[in-house]
Amino acid sequence: QVQLQESGPGLVKPSETLSLTCTVSGGSIISYYWSWIRQTPGKGLEWIGYIYYSGSTNYNPSLRSRVTISVDRSKNQVSLNLTSVTAADTAVYYCCSQRGSYSPHDSWGQGTLVTVS
Amino acid sequence: EIVLTQSPGTMSLSPGERATLSCRASQSISSRYLAWYQQRPGQAPRLLMYGASSRATGIPDRFSGSGSGTDFTLTISRLEPEDFAVYYCQQYGYSFGGGTKVEIK
Repeated sequence: QVQLQESGPGLVKPSETLSLTCTVSGGSIISYYWSWIRQTPGKGLEWIGYIYYSGSTNYNPSLRSRVTISVDRSKNQVSLNLTSVTAADTAVYYCCSQRGSYSPHDSWGQGTLVTVS
Repeated sequence: EIVLTQSPGTMSLSPGERATLSCRASQSISSRYLAWYQQRPGQAPRLLMYGASSRATGIPDRFSGSGSGTDFTLTISRLEPEDFAVYYCQQYGYSFGGGTKVEIK
């Protein structure tokens, strides 16, 4: 299984853009799909979206207007941008791998807490 | 959107007891696309079961899954101390259930 490590600012101001990076090790970025999932006490686990190395993406309809997921093959990294954040976007954000577009999330990063305040 | 409802919200059991967790979908889903995850305190979720009844790599055989249509079940035959955690069901790639916490009685 691949190892995943999320990184990025732990504090973001309201109305600004949340930007996170997931660094992939122990496997090729072209072998999997890559998802972002977040977890809040109130809403539980929420799938944000995924990307394939080719650039093909699929986003949660409830977040589609604010989300961009991208991949940098040269750095083996996946990135998440979420614009116009509010306190409701405060969550632990996880990077995950999946073997297909409609597959379970078989590896997870440790997660990173982002607070909007 | 398919909504997954897990019950009970919390169950209090002793080590060695059997745990039966329920996941109910608001409409029928293929069992091929139903997963269960375990989340221990302070940790990320980890994949337990996929395709409703197949164990993920390294998952002990005291964990089993079953179900079809709208009703799915995760069973832990004999609870070990490390099994006290929160369990989530998921329709692949989309909605998660709200979770069932298995706590020590």
